[in-house]
Amino acid sequence: GAGVSQTPSNKVTEKGKYVELRCDPISGHTALYWYRQSLGQGPEFLIYFQGTGAADDSGLPNDRFFAVRPEGSVSTLKIQRTERGDSAVYLCASSLISYNEQFFGPGTRLTVL
Amino acid sequence: KNEVEQSPQNLTAQEGEFITINCSYSVGISALHWLQQHPGGGIVSLFMLSSGKKKHGRLIATINIQEKHSSLHITASHPRDSAVYICAVRSGGNTDKLIFGTGTRLQVFP
Repeated sequence: GAGVSQTPSNKVTEKGKYVELRCDPISGHTALYWYRQSLGQGPEFLIYFQGTGAADDSGLPNDRFFAVRPEGSVSTLKIQRTERGDSAVYLCASSLISYNEQFFGPGTRLTVL
Repeated sequence: KNEVEQSPQNLTAQEGEFITINCSYSVGISALHWLQQHPGGGIVSLFMLSSGKKKHGRLIATINIQEKHSSLHITASHPRDSAVYICAVRSGGNTDKLIFGTGTRLQVFP
């Protein structure tokens, strides 16, 4: 079956702009996770959802970052007033339920010029 | 100091060699994940374990909760095993948040 998909695969934007990154989890997976990975580093947790609600958003770096999952399936990570330091690969993963094996998407590479 | 430390950072091996990658952590955990990341970024979950040992094909993962240490072993290594291997822990408490190590880059030469 289809895996986790993320769009776009690459996004180049200018400093100060607003961006949205989309994640389509595996069908039926109730848990969804967002991570950020900078070059040469391991992934860094941002937020995870169980169903429609954010179960833990402690990894969001500041209030420019926001994520939603209104129907408990697709999720959108929104970044306002982008900064050059936001440049990274943004990874999404899903799991059948929380506390289980996670399946990762291919990531969205965000470049802020 | 990072909460999750991996060693070595880089590892090269000849095809057929036995490989060990280590992960130490400083927080209480409820589970530990081993992940594989190939060039180009795709991450695959290899193991999730909370005690003892798991085996899948040529891969073996062990964890010692008392010593806060886990190892990933690869037997009869092959060039296709070349990748970055990442350890991640789920800290205790009511959250599924993962804390990741920086990864071990493995290159296996024919």
